[in-house]
Amino acid sequence: QKEVEQNSGPLSVPEGAIASLNCTYSDRGSQSFFWYRQYSGKSPELIMFIYSNGDKEDGRFTAQLNKASQYVSLLIRDSQPSDSATYLCAVEISGGYQKVTFGTGTKLQVIP
Amino acid sequence: GAVVSQHPSRVICKSGTSVKIECRSLDFQATTMFWYRQFPKQSLMLMATSNEGSKATYEQGVEKDKFLINHASLTLSTLTVTSAHPEDSSFYICSVVGGGNQPQHFGDGTRLSIL
Repeated sequence: QKEVEQNSGPLSVPEGAIASLNCTYSDRGSQSFFWYRQYSGKSPELIMFIYSNGDKEDGRFTAQLNKASQYVSLLIRDSQPSDSATYLCAVEISGGYQKVTFGTGTKLQVIP
Repeated sequence: GAVVSQHPSRVICKSGTSVKIECRSLDFQATTMFWYRQFPKQSLMLMATSNEGSKATYEQGVEKDKFLINHASLTLSTLTVTSAHPEDSSFYICSVVGGGNQPQHFGDGTRLSIL
């Protein structure tokens, strides 16, 4: 069973602070990693994806990948109340024909 | 703009009714689409992989005769929940993927409530 683990939270940060969300995975063969944001009652929307070790930045978001340690993280700088949502980590299933496994998500609360 | 269109957004119907949900890929031809189900406060669970022109591949524990999937074209997949019962009430979401290791893009989801 390929697993993706996230702390369910809630993670509370003050407005303007950096939010750090973490994810670990068990499938050593995984090559593709995705972060989705899901507002309550809505479907997930893609925030970032990362394939190579290191950091990838897009605006206020930075994804970090360490394949040796099997973790991927998402940093949100200058957090805004509108960032309050559940963040889902998704990891490609190696040999899974584009299928991914989702973590249970981390609920982020940005306090104004 | 939207990559995926899913319809209807909400269905409320009586037990025993069959419900069809449509998923359309708007930006590209999708040979593969995925169908997920999400119960309250839980993560997305993959139900099946919809393959254009061939039979869908179902995940373990998902009844293929209850959840009928048709992927008749490169832009449309449908999920039919046959003879739905209250325990089938859930949030059903489809996704499309462009190919290779590209990310999945999700439809807006269908909230199904069976009375």
